[in-house]
Amino acid sequence: RKEVEQDPGPFNVPEGATVAFNCTYSNSASQSFFWYRQDCRKEPKLLMSVYSSGNEDGRFTAQLNRASQYISLLIRDSKLSDSATYLCVVIRDYKLSFGAGTTVTVRA
Amino acid sequence: NAGVMQNPRHLVRRRGQEARLRCSPMKGHSHVYWYRQLPEEGLKFMVYLQKENIIDESGMPKERFSAEFPKEGPSILRIQQVVRGDSAAYFCASSPNPENIQYFGAGTRLSVL
Repeated sequence: RKEVEQDPGPFNVPEGATVAFNCTYSNSASQSFFWYRQDCRKEPKLLMSVYSSGNEDGRFTAQLNRASQYISLLIRDSKLSDSATYLCVVIRDYKLSFGAGTTVTVRA
Repeated sequence: NAGVMQNPRHLVRRRGQEARLRCSPMKGHSHVYWYRQLPEEGLKFMVYLQKENIIDESGMPKERFSAEFPKEGPSILRIQQVVRGDSAAYFCASSPNPENIQYFGAGTRLSVL
């Protein structure tokens, strides 16, 4: 079983729509959780950290459920510039484990 | 404050040649991590280094691959006798300590002909 699994999508949504997707992780000892964003053929960039209490950053809301070992990301009022691959990242000790990514395409 | 710098951005090698990929971490960061991303796949951890020490190389192929992070100068990922399957994007990340967020360089895209 992969350490981090994500729905690959693609999610194809119109501008202004809300899109949400999850990832699951297999190791209950995982310590920290993040969403990174990767644009085509570029480096991953940190989008936001994920906390158990849930956290928002503008139009983005992240949630962590430790009991069920899943992490979610919700994007409200989608913009064209939100089109990217979203990577779920789990840290245990120093090692980042990446999901394969969820592709989101926002169309005009 | 420059970010993580990787060079070259693109590297073309013929089968059997050596590839040397360089990574300079962000200023103040002494922890460096290398990842590989094969086409259409996610990033995979390769190796974690701190100045002059390899901390974890559990993700490195057993043969032909090596990494170093000398006291002076960038971290180097070295691939000897490259094969077509080595074609990938190689990303370097750095952090000030292992518990902190890792910041990524722009990557080196290796193409093996």
